[in-house]
Amino acid sequence: AQSVTQPDIHITVSEGASLELRCNYSYGATPYLFWYVQSPGQGLQLLLKYFSGDTLVQGIKGFEAEFKRSQSSFNLRKPSVHWSDAAEYFCAVGQNSGNTPLVFGKGTRLSVIA
Amino acid sequence: GAVVSQHPSWVICKSGTSVKIECRSLDFQATTMFWYRQFPKQSLMLMATSNEGSKATYEQGVEKDKFLINHASLTLSTLTVTSAHPEDSSFYICSARDPQYGYTFGSGTRLTVV
Repeated sequence: AQSVTQPDIHITVSEGASLELRCNYSYGATPYLFWYVQSPGQGLQLLLKYFSGDTLVQGIKGFEAEFKRSQSSFNLRKPSVHWSDAAEYFCAVGQNSGNTPLVFGKGTRLSVIA
Repeated sequence: GAVVSQHPSWVICKSGTSVKIECRSLDFQATTMFWYRQFPKQSLMLMATSNEGSKATYEQGVEKDKFLINHASLTLSTLTVTSAHPEDSSFYICSARDPQYGYTFGSGTRLTVV
C-alpha cells in the first residue's frame, strides 16, 4: 500500500530564507507525486507534480521539488520564502494508472517570521 | 484544464438533518470520484470511492449508511450526510482522475452541524 511521511509537523522560517519541506513515500512502482498547499479555511492548490522524466520539477510560486528514487523522497524547496507562503503543505502519492486515490501525508505547517 | 465543481462551499445544518454535497466534472468524464474528509488541523483522509453506475467502496470505519454516495452519471457524484451530528462537522472534498492532470479536486465543502 502507498504511504507518505512528512517528518516535520511545523517549520518556522524567516522571510527571505530558503525552505525545504521533506516528503518520503512508500510505493512499489513509479509513483505520481504531488505537493499541495492549503491556506486556512481554503481548498487545495496544486504546487507541482511529478509523473516521469526530469526529476527536478518546477511549480508555481517559485517552488520546485526533486524526485529521488534511491531515497524515496520528493522534497519541496523554495530559495526565498515570502510571508504569503505561510500555510499547510501536503505531499501526496498516487499511481500512474488505474482509478486509485491520492494518499496524503499528514502535512507540514509553515510559519514565516519577519 | 480539468475542473471539478463542488457545491455548496459551506453549509450549516441542524443536528439530525441531512445534507447533500455535489461534485460535477465540467469538462471530462469522471468514472471514479474520491471523497475525502478533513478535520481541523489534520490531513485529508479518504472516506470512499464512487464508481459510476455501481456501489461505492467505503474505507474502514466510515459508516456507509450515514454517508450515502451516489454516482449516477459520468459527471456527477453526490455525498449525503444523513442524520448529521456535530461530530460530522468537517471539510469534505471530492477528487476525480482526469486524463491530463492526474487528479482534480473540488474546492471543498465546510459542513457545520449545530
